[in-house]
Amino acid sequence: QVQLQESGPGLVKPSETLSLTCTVSGGSISNYYWSWIRQSPGKGLEWIGHIYYRGSTNYNPSLKSRVTISVDISKNQFSLRLSSVTAADTAVYYCARERYSNYGGGYYYYMDVWGKGTTVTVSS
Amino acid sequence: DIQMTQSPSSLSASVGDRVTITCRAGQSISTYLNWYQQKPGKAPKLLIYAASNLQSGVPSRFSGSGSGTDFTLTISSLQPEDFASYYCQQSYSTLRTFGQGTKVEIK
Repeated sequence: QVQLQESGPGLVKPSETLSLTCTVSGGSISNYYWSWIRQSPGKGLEWIGHIYYRGSTNYNPSLKSRVTISVDISKNQFSLRLSSVTAADTAVYYCARERYSNYGGGYYYYMDVWGKGTTVTVSS
Repeated sequence: DIQMTQSPSSLSASVGDRVTITCRAGQSISTYLNWYQQKPGKAPKLLIYAASNLQSGVPSRFSGSGSGTDFTLTISSLQPEDFASYYCQQSYSTLRTFGQGTKVEIK
């Protein structure tokens, strides 16, 4: 049973960098995409970006200039860095595994395993 | 970005009711559409992938349909544990986007 666990500071000062790590247990980090998603208080879900285990990334254009996602296969971990944070970055941050199924030549991606989420507050 | 619009934003229903939630994509996304359930304080849970495929372990009262721009999540007989928020999400574009959510409340 694959499990994901987010870790990192719960409080970050404005203008500083938010750093979170997601540890994958019970399975390999290989052969999947690994995503970060956030949810502001009382709001919906916002996809931040994802990384393939080999290191290629895709980011939400609205955050792209401030986001870096990296992977450490040896540790079975992947990480999120979000720079120059403001109060608008206060949210619950989730990591998730994105897998795919192949139907009729198409690759259908979906997030089938999620971490429990970690709350990050941006405040001085 | 591919905008995903859900309707309604919220609904009230009773146990045993048939519930339908709609998701509309801003452009055709074939069947690259997933549905998630989220309970308060918990992470989202995958219900349906590729528009109509039931994720392992999800009760058969949940079903999904649609293709192109219009999709539906149906709960055939609402159970007490189904009161939650539901989100659609497209994976047609590399930039994944979610609908704004539908909150299912007890009538």
